[in-house]
Amino acid sequence: ETGVTQTPRHLVMGMTNKKSLKCEQHLGHNAMYWYKQSAKKPLELMFVYNFKEQTENNSVPSRFSPECPNSSHLFLHLHTLQPEDSALYLCASSRESSGGAYNEQFFGPGTRLTVL
Amino acid sequence: AQTVTQSQPEMSVQEAETVTLSCTYDTSENNYYLFWYKQPPSRQMILVIRQEAYKQQNATENRFSVNFQKAAKSFSLKISDSQLGDTAMYFCACRDNYGQNFVFGPGTRLSALP
Repeated sequence: ETGVTQTPRHLVMGMTNKKSLKCEQHLGHNAMYWYKQSAKKPLELMFVYNFKEQTENNSVPSRFSPECPNSSHLFLHLHTLQPEDSALYLCASSRESSGGAYNEQFFGPGTRLTVL
Repeated sequence: AQTVTQSQPEMSVQEAETVTLSCTYDTSENNYYLFWYKQPPSRQMILVIRQEAYKQQNATENRFSVNFQKAAKSFSLKISDSQLGDTAMYFCACRDNYGQNFVFGPGTRLSALP
């Protein structure tokens, strides 16, 4: 379970705070993902980075700002969040190749975020 | 756009018994991939089994097997000889061949009982 790590594991923040979530993968993968997991809702894909370039942004509010400085690290910068943003934020990575493949995603343990 | 439906929010199974979790999906793609992920309480999500849509043979991984019905767009998971450690949320997921858009179902909470 150490292939994809996330810090912090728990975070409580006020609506006016600025914080960042960090994800690191040690698997040599070239794609990384942010998901939001809320209670009683399907897992929601937020952002996709492939070879450090953002390829997907599923209409995520601008108060969430991703950053991918290299293929091993992914950040999610948070500012002026709302209480409804409280959720488990999961990071995942995969090895993508040209021509498509069924490459599975490996998940981190998540950051449990509570916005007060 | 792909959609994934899991019609069973919660299920339970006695130890050593067999249970089947349902999943249906919809996609306009001809080539796609299907997955079952397991998320134990307070632990990481891990892959249980995967299936390529172009393969007719059902995937099997030890006690886990799938019943893939392509025409019906159905992808159920069978867990044989259930163990207490099978207690978890189980998510069905679909991705197309070229995109990286994994679409997950809402999950089924499985409780394995002694």
